[in-house]
Amino acid sequence: GENVEQHPSTLSVQEGDSAVIKCTYSDSASNYFPWYKQELGKGPQLIIDIRSNVGEKKDQRIAVTLNKTAKHFSLHITETQPEDSAVYFCAALNYGGSQGNLIFGKGTKLSVKP
Amino acid sequence: DTAVSQTPKYLVTQMGNDKSIKCEQNLGHDTMYWYKQDSKKFLKIMFSYNNKELIINETVPNRFSPKSPDKAHLNLHINSLELGDSAVYFCASSAGTDQPQHFGDGTRLSIL
Repeated sequence: GENVEQHPSTLSVQEGDSAVIKCTYSDSASNYFPWYKQELGKGPQLIIDIRSNVGEKKDQRIAVTLNKTAKHFSLHITETQPEDSAVYFCAALNYGGSQGNLIFGKGTKLSVKP
Repeated sequence: DTAVSQTPKYLVTQMGNDKSIKCEQNLGHDTMYWYKQDSKKFLKIMFSYNNKELIINETVPNRFSPKSPDKAHLNLHINSLELGDSAVYFCASSAGTDQPQHFGDGTRLSIL
């Protein structure tokens, strides 16, 4: 089955700097890759996603890149702000198979210092 | 309006009891899910329902049973609670199995 590795587990940056979180997946048939932000006491919130027919997607300060050959995808946050502090999860989904499981990475705790 | 709502937010109970967690979504989605998040924040799918049919059933104990009275609701029943069941349980929904999933704010279950 699919396995998703996420790095780093913790990331501390200064306000205004960029943050990059990387994930690798094992199942080459996976074709949908969302990123979630989880704040304390809240559920995961989708912030951006990418499908396997696209190499990059951007939404304001957030961008995601996908390298299907290497089976890795990354989240890029520019001009970080203290409110970006949260736990971020990557995930991979193979929805063409018999089971459409969304497999999550173990999360990255991002701290943005003012 | 809350898109995916769960009740209760906190649930404290004793080992051996039976409890239920309710979930409702007002997004008109066809698919609903239950996830378990352990103390290390690891999120794992437990069940999903598509048009009231179970389409994924991960290797969870049969003490856990999802019940969907209609497309907008997916409740989670847990029998004979054990210490290891302590976790945060999240409900989610999506328009289809290949569509973005929207999560509720979770139910923190604590077993004494």
